[in-house]
Amino acid sequence: QVQLQESGPGLVKPSETLSVTCDVSGYYISSDYCWGWVRQPPGKGLEWIGSIYHSGSTYYNPSLKSRVTISVDTSKNQFFLKLSSVTAADTAFYYCARQGESGYDRLEYWGQGILVTVSS
Amino acid sequence: DIQMTQSPSTLSASVGDRVTITCRASQNINSWLAWYQQKPGKAPKLLIYKASLQTGVPSRFSGSGSGTEFTLTINSLQPDDFATYYCQQYNTYSTFGQGTKVEIK
Repeated sequence: QVQLQESGPGLVKPSETLSVTCDVSGYYISSDYCWGWVRQPPGKGLEWIGSIYHSGSTYYNPSLKSRVTISVDTSKNQFFLKLSSVTAADTAFYYCARQGESGYDRLEYWGQGILVTVSS
Repeated sequence: DIQMTQSPSTLSASVGDRVTITCRASQNINSWLAWYQQKPGKAPKLLIYKASLQTGVPSRFSGSGSGTEFTLTINSLQPDDFATYYCQQYNTYSTFGQGTKVEIK
């Protein structure tokens, strides 16, 4: 059973960098699939942020590309999201997920999500 | 950018009803469309991918369409089905519809 769990600071100051880690269990990231991030402002809809292959190839939402970095550590079976220069508009639930085989694909397994609030 | 437009935004229905949600893409996305169900405080759950392929969900959920117009149909709505539903295109990058809330009539 594939399971994903997000972790990280729940509060980030404006202009700083948001960092979230996704721990994966039940499947080796290094085996296959693409691993993605999605966010959802409280009470609003879903926004795909980007994804990464186990090899390290990345795919980003063009609207966020200049501020996003997604990376992977296969030895720890983790992948990571960094979003720089955050503002209040970046306050959201951040979900990690296992996608299908493609950089842009359905999201098959999801973490429970972590709320990150941007505030001074 | 490919825009995804769902209709209706809210749908009131009763247990046992047949429900249809529509998702329109601003350009051709072939069959690269998925449907998700989300309940309050929970992560979305994948229901359908590649427009019509099921993921082990109850058979009352079905998807159809290709190109720019897609539908999610729930036959005989059950109490557990009251939730918000999202479509997602993954033909070019990935974008979601704004969601359709299915509420109790």
